This record gives sequence, structure tokens and C-alpha cells, in this order.
Amino acid sequence: DAMVIQNPRYQVTQFGKPVTLSCSQTLNHNVMYWYQQKSSQAPKLLFHYYDKDFNNEADTPDNFQSRRPNTSFCFLDIRSPGLGDAAMYLCATSRDSPTSLGDNEQFFGPGTRLTVL
Amino acid sequence: AQSVSQHNHHVILSEAASLELGCNYSYGGTVNLFWYVQYPGQHLQLLLKYFSGDPLVKGIKGFEAEFIKSKFSFNLRKPSVQWSDTAEYFCAVDSGGYQKVTFGIGTKLQVIP
Repeated sequence: DAMVIQNPRYQVTQFGKPVTLSCSQTLNHNVMYWYQQKSSQAPKLLFHYYDKDFNNEADTPDNFQSRRPNTSFCFLDIRSPGLGDAAMYLCATSRDSPTSLGDNEQFFGPGTRLTVL
Repeated sequence: AQSVSQHNHHVILSEAASLELGCNYSYGGTVNLFWYVQYPGQHLQLLLKYFSGDPLVKGIKGFEAEFIKSKFSFNLRKPSVQWSDTAEYFCAVDSGGYQKVTFGIGTKLQVIP
């Protein structure tokens, strides 16, 4: 089945120790997103890739970076995790749309829960 | 900037009760509207969506939602809930331009058998 896969499902890191979360998709979608979701809060978009074009949200801290080496994979790098970065990180994809308001239903992975000690 | 408000953060219903979850958004232009559901231990998945046409949208598992443009609302309804509907429900709005979507805070629905 076509899907969005996130590894690992649970990640524990130490304060200040760099960590990388990975996402892969078999849907061949052009758009990939990274969201941060803290307890009892809405998923918050960090950034997304439209093909190779990187789009950073204005309020995403510099501590968060992303890489997309090919269509299938996208990585979230947290350079120096702080206690406040503990959260669920969600990866999602959507189809390329020829119009600005096309069918951009998002398909989500199961998420990676990050704990910072 | 667009925003999404979900007024009910935690709803508890008995089986067979009717459900309505409120969702209001702030953007005044053309929008796409979504309801996503997250069942316990599972990932977010689409419940239903509105792009254009009939403002009453039917989704999976007997859910429907009505887009009322004048009220900036997209409320989710189900006439008779089941225990298996226990989940968290998120309303989301997309106002176009690089497929950017804003999510609401979510509503946790607990259905008691």
C-alpha cells in the first residue's frame, strides 16, 4: 500500500545533542511537510518542500532544518534540541496541484515522538 | 494570517447520540476545508473535504459537514455515533498558495458504550 513512513516512531535525545528524524513516501507526491504537534495543541507547520523548493514558515526556529535528497525522502534535523522541542513530529505529503487551490489533501505518517532529556 | 477555531475541546457522548463539532475560520477569501480524524494509536487521516460545489459534504463512516460561507463555519456532524468513533478530530483550512494548511486545536470525542 502506498503510504508515508516515519522512523523512528520514538526518539530520545539529550539536551543539545543533534537529532535527525526521517520520512519516506511511496505516494510519489511532490509536496512534503513537517509539522510539530505538542500536547493538546494543533499541528504546527514548520516547513515544506514543493519538489526541491524549500519553504520555511516565518516563525520556525533556526534550530530546525530540513533536507529532501529525492522525491521519496525528507529529513528533519534539530541541531540543538531544547526541552521545549519535545513533541510529536508529523510528516505529510500531498499531490502536486496545477492551481493554487487544488486537491491538496494531506497524507500523514504515524509521527515520531521526540523526548529531550 | 488565517486561523481555525474549534470550540469543543473534549466531548463525551453515549452511543447513538448525535454529534456536532464546531469549526470556524478567519480567512475571508476562497478556501478549501478539511476534517481529519486520529483514532487512538493511529495517524491522522482525512475524514472529508470541501473544495467547491455542494456545501454539504459527505465523508466516510457516516460523517458529513456543512460549509456556511456567511458564518465562516464548517461544522462536522453525525446523526448517531458509535463507540468506534472515539478519536480526536481536527478541522483544517487551506487558503491556497503552496498548499499551506492551518489546523485547529482538535476535539477529543469519547463515545461511551
